[in-house]
Parts: sequence; C-alpha cells; structure tokens
Amino acid sequence: DGGITQSPKYLFRKEGQNVTLSCEQNLNHDAMYWYRQDPGQGLRLIYYSQIVNDFQKGDIAEGYSVSREKKESFPLTVTSAQKNPTAFYLCASSIDEQYYGYTFGSGTRLTVV
Amino acid sequence: AQTVTQSQPEMSVQEAETVTLSCTYDTSESDYYLFWYKQPPSRQMILVIRQEAYKQQNATENRFSVNFQKAAKSFSLKISDSQLGDAAMYFCAYRRTGTASKLTFGTGTRLQVTL
Repeated sequence: DGGITQSPKYLFRKEGQNVTLSCEQNLNHDAMYWYRQDPGQGLRLIYYSQIVNDFQKGDIAEGYSVSREKKESFPLTVTSAQKNPTAFYLCASSIDEQYYGYTFGSGTRLTVV
Repeated sequence: AQTVTQSQPEMSVQEAETVTLSCTYDTSESDYYLFWYKQPPSRQMILVIRQEAYKQQNATENRFSVNFQKAAKSFSLKISDSQLGDAAMYFCAYRRTGTASKLTFGTGTRLQVTL
C-alpha cells in the first residue's frame, strides 16, 4: 500500500544534540512538507520541497535543516540552534494538483531531555 | 498572507446530535480550495471533506457537510448524527490554486462526543 512513513514514532534528544527525523513516501508525489504541531497553535510549516534537490523555508525554519536527494525521502534535522524543539512533527506529501490536499505520515514526537 | 481562524478551541456534542465547527479565512484570491482534516487521538491526520471555491454547491461526505459562504469567507463543518469515533481535533485548512501552493491551517477545534 502507498503511504508516508515517519520514523521513529518517539525520539528523545539531549540538549545540544542534532537529531534527524525520517520521512519516506512511495506515492510518487513531487512535493513534500514538514510541519510542527504545538498545543493551541495548529500546524506550522517548517520546510517544503517541490522537486528533488530543491527546498524552501516555511514560516518557522530557524533551527531546522532538510535535504531532498531522492523523490521519496525528505529528512528533517533539528539542530541545537532550535531553542524549543519539543513538539510533534508531521511530514506530508502531495501531487501538484491542489484539489487533493496532503497525505500525512503518522508523526514523530520529539522530546528534549 | 492567508490566515485561517478557528474561534472555538473546544466543542462538545451528545451522541446522535448535530454539531457545527466554525472556520473563517482571509485571502485576496478568488480561486482556492478549503479542507477539513480530522486528527483523532492516534494523531494521524485524515481528510474529512474538501470544497472548491468556484463551486457554489456545498460539499457533503456522508454525515459531514460544509456551509461555504464565499463572500463572508466562512467555511463551517457540520457533523450530523455524531458518533463516539468523531471525537478528535478538527483542522480547517486553505490552499490557493497555482503551483507551489501550500496548506495553511487553523489552530484546531477539539470535539468531545458524550453519551
């Protein structure tokens, strides 16, 4: 079955460490997105990519980095520069046709300890 | 920039009753898409219903329907015959037409369903 896989489901990081969240899709979607979800703030866009080897900053990109070396993969690195990284992270993908919205992964809960 | 506002942080409905969740948005575009997503306790985002702005007819999907008022920039979700499984966070989202468009989400409404 086609879908988006995010791993791990739960992740713990020590302060000062970088950590990478995985996102893989087999839907043959061109576009991929990373959102951060905090209580009471909805989903905020971190980074997005429309094609391989190209990506753009979203609304809250500071302290995060991404890569898009393959169409299927869009990993997110949370760097030590991100001041408040504890959150729920959602990856999504879409075809360019706007009618179809997004397909989401099941998310990664990151906790800084 | 487009904004999406959900003014009801929490709502409650009795099983089998009807509830309406509100959403307003701000845009200067004339053509766009609107969505309602459901996020149950599993936190998996599920598309509930979508509406194309150029269509006057309100979208319906089984027990879910919308009231789309383009001039008022309002997009409410009505859930009929509420079920326990409807308990979730509901997010309203906007996406303009054109390439490289992205979904903009509201802050969500938590729906409780009581017996």
